[in-house]
Amino acid sequence: QVQLQESGPGLVKPSETLSLTCTVSGRSITSNYWTWHRQTPGKGLEWIGNIHYSGRTNYNPSLKSRVTIFIDTSKTRFSLKLSSVTAADTAVYYCVRGDGWHLYWGQGTLVTVSS
Amino acid sequence: EIVLTQSPGTLSLSPGERATLSCRASQSVNSNSLAWYVQKVGQAPRLLIYDASTRATGIPDRFSGSGSGTDFTLTISGLEPEDFAVYYCQQYGGSPVTFGLGTKVEI
Repeated sequence: QVQLQESGPGLVKPSETLSLTCTVSGRSITSNYWTWHRQTPGKGLEWIGNIHYSGRTNYNPSLKSRVTIFIDTSKTRFSLKLSSVTAADTAVYYCVRGDGWHLYWGQGTLVTVSS
Repeated sequence: EIVLTQSPGTLSLSPGERATLSCRASQSVNSNSLAWYVQKVGQAPRLLIYDASTRATGIPDRFSGSGSGTDFTLTISGLEPEDFAVYYCQQYGGSPVTFGLGTKVEI
């Protein structure tokens, strides 16, 4: 059984960088793609981007200039950085396995952007 | 970007009734790369259907998916109390991956 767990600050100040980590257990991270989504009441579910274990990344064009996803295979985790955040980046952030449909999701973590 | 429009926004039904949820894409979805999820308050989405019509592991057969091209349907043949939730469609045939805004199935 694959388990994913997001971790990181729940509060980020405007203009700063949001940083989250997803720890994977139950399966090697050296297979598959690994993806970040977020969810807001207004825009719904939004694909942020993904990373292959080889390090290859794909980002949503709407966020591409601000997003970095990287992977640490030795520690079985992958991470998200989103720079220059605004209130519009307030959302529940999910890490998931796969690059298409997703069977395995983290529980989600709420990140609020506020001063 | 492929825009997914789900209808209706809210579906009011009773246990035992049949639910029919629609997901329409702004352009054809490659290889019928469409999934359905259910989400309850405070939980992550749970996969029901992928590749338009394949049930995910452990999903009861009262859930079925159909459709191709731009029009897709999720049918719940007889609503159980635990089925009252929000349902989302997702396309992964084009980049970026996109989701619909959801259909709430309420009692």
